[in-house]
Amino acid sequence: EVQLVESGGGLVQPGRSLKLSCAASGFTFSSFPMAWVRQAPKKGLEWVASISSGGGGTYYPDSVKGRFTISRDNAKSTLYLQMDSLRSEDTASYYCARRGYAGAHWFAYWGQGTLVTVSS
Amino acid sequence: DVQMTQSPSYLAASPGESVSISCKASKSISNNLAWYQEKPGKANKLLIHSGSTLQSGTPSRFSGSGSGTDFTLTIRSLEFEDFAVYYCQQYNEYPWTFGGGTKLELK
Repeated sequence: EVQLVESGGGLVQPGRSLKLSCAASGFTFSSFPMAWVRQAPKKGLEWVASISSGGGGTYYPDSVKGRFTISRDNAKSTLYLQMDSLRSEDTASYYCARRGYAGAHWFAYWGQGTLVTVSS
Repeated sequence: DVQMTQSPSYLAASPGESVSISCKASKSISNNLAWYQEKPGKANKLLIHSGSTLQSGTPSRFSGSGSGTDFTLTIRSLEFEDFAVYYCQQYNEYPWTFGGGTKLELK
C-alpha cells in the first residue's frame, strides 16, 4: 500500500524558513517523480513544486520560485520542501504527492498533509 | 497560466441520481486533465486522468469526457460515499493548475 506521510509543519514568522518532509513507503520511491501541492484555508489546490525521479529536474510556479526548494533522498525514500522567506500567503496545508510515473503529470497518490501557518 | 473554471461550485443531489461537473480551460489542453476527489480526513484520490481514463480502483459509475477546453465528470447512480469535493487539474503545461472545486452535497 502506498503511504505518504508529511511532517514538519507548524507556526512560523514571516520571513523565516521551514523544511517539510514526506516519508514514502509501499513503492519504489526512486522510480517515481514527486510533487508538493498546497491548499490555503477554504481555498482550492495549488501545485508548488515537482521533482524528477532522480532529483535532477525541479519545477516551480512563479509564486514560489526562488523561495522554495524541492529535493529528495532516494536512499531514505523521503521528499523535502525547503521554504524560505515565508509570507502570510504561504499559509496552507502542504500535501506530498506521487506522480503516476515518469511522464505522467497527474498525482496518483497523496498524503494527508501538514499545516503551515505563517504569522507573527 | 491556464485558468481552470469548474461549475457549479456547489451541487446538491440524492443517492441514485446522476450528476455532471464541468471543467473549462482558458486554452486548449488536449486531453491532459485529471479529476480528484477530496473527503475530510482522507487523502485526495485520483479518479480519472487523460480526460477519460479511470484510475485503477475508481468505480465504473464515474466517467470523464471532453478534450480541448471543455471537460465533464459524470457520476451515475450516486452512492453516499460520493458526496465530496471534486477538483479538475490540467497538466498540459506549467504551471499545472486546478479548478476551484465542486462540492457535492447530500440533498
